[in-house]
Amino acid sequence: DTAVSQTPKYLVTQMGNDKSIKCEQNLGHDTMYWYKQDSKKFLKIMFSYNNKELIINETVPNRFSPKSPDKAHLNLHINSLELGDSAVYFCASSQPYRASGNTDTQYFGPGTRLTVL
Amino acid sequence: RKEVEQDPGPFNVPEGATVAFNCTYSNSASQSFFWYRQDCRKEPKLLMSVYSSGNEDGRFTAQLNRASQYISLLIRDSKLSDSATYLCVVNMRSGNTGKLIFGQGTTLQVKP
Repeated sequence: DTAVSQTPKYLVTQMGNDKSIKCEQNLGHDTMYWYKQDSKKFLKIMFSYNNKELIINETVPNRFSPKSPDKAHLNLHINSLELGDSAVYFCASSQPYRASGNTDTQYFGPGTRLTVL
Repeated sequence: RKEVEQDPGPFNVPEGATVAFNCTYSNSASQSFFWYRQDCRKEPKLLMSVYSSGNEDGRFTAQLNRASQYISLLIRDSKLSDSATYLCVVNMRSGNTGKLIFGQGTTLQVKP
């Protein structure tokens, strides 16, 4: 049973292209996130959605646009890809703090390794 | 200054050794604290939450010192399977939504 899934697992593309990464969770969670892990292994939050509403929007170029068609899906679209966008992108999900019994546990997808050439 | 700082290591230890990782965080308003484990080319997975009273899960003991803004993880009787990167994580909760801030991770290599 896959809890948080992402597609594709690997994505190799040319600079300037537009690409999307998809994320789905079957945990019934209300909140979903996108994180970026760069070559130095730092994991940084990019966006958070709660029940399709944008909650967290870190300082991310507006070439990155998240879209949440329903609370089980959070996709990430990237326009005009640049070399510096090469990284591993992780999707995660969690229950709201109070609904989860006062925990902040987030569950991560397997990651999408994006390489921009 | 990074929000969460860890010694990246690597820590190379023999099987059976006891190893300790430390972490400091800069924001005193941080609300909850965790250790995550990340295997090579895999996603981070929650290892354990960290409480001021200290908590233990088998061979793993975690401790939080809020006054010093310091978090620790102790692994006893290391196994080969403990080899991984250990991520110190603090949570800044906004309303009902958490925002996890990750350290760079400490790499542990357990050798036979």
